Amino acid sequence: DIQMTQSPSSLSASVGDRVTITCRASQGISTFLAWFQQKPGKAPKSLISAASSLQSGVPSKFSGSGSGTDFTLTISSLQPEDSATYYCQQYDSYPITFGQGTRLEIK
Amino acid sequence: EVQLEESGGGLVQPGGSLRLSCAASGFIFFNFAMSWFRQAPGKGLEWVSSISGSGGGTYYADSVKGRFTISRDKSKNTVFLQMNSLRAEDTAVYFCAKERVWGQGRLVTVSS
Repeated sequence: DIQMTQSPSSLSASVGDRVTITCRASQGISTFLAWFQQKPGKAPKSLISAASSLQSGVPSKFSGSGSGTDFTLTISSLQPEDSATYYCQQYDSYPITFGQGTRLEIK
Repeated sequence: EVQLEESGGGLVQPGGSLRLSCAASGFIFFNFAMSWFRQAPGKGLEWVSSISGSGGGTYYADSVKGRFTISRDKSKNTVFLQMNSLRAEDTAVYFCAKERVWGQGRLVTVSS
């Protein structure tokens, strides 16, 4: 199974800041990597697929990069509504696996 | 627009069975694999099972293999998850998904 290691597990940032979340795969997954945002009581929402492709309707403040084993999600111009838990997901092979999540708090 | 509407779920005793359904619309159903994911209370996301567009390929997490069965009905644009021999650790919100689009989820509680 491919293990996804996400960091940090939590972070706190201020309105207007830019933050970066990293995800490392235990083996190469090319660009079969997605990022999800989840707010309490809601279903996860896909932000990025194929490591760097923004999903339709997702603001350009979200961006993704990486290939192989190392990936990043960057969120710029933080707003209160960006407070959520963020997950990376590899879909290169079964079993599909997720990072453990990053809880983002906006101060 | 892709829409996924789950139904089923609820409270069941350990060892019992439940079936989840997911009605899909807004895309050509037989062209796409479908999946189920779950999230236990306060925990992260876990993949459960996937089925190919034709239905000929099925895949399961080790934690549910032999107990859960995924299937699809192309005439109804619906995917199912039959869950047998349920355990307390299967308690979770279950989500149906088409690639990166997820339904709203259904709570399954396994408790006596």
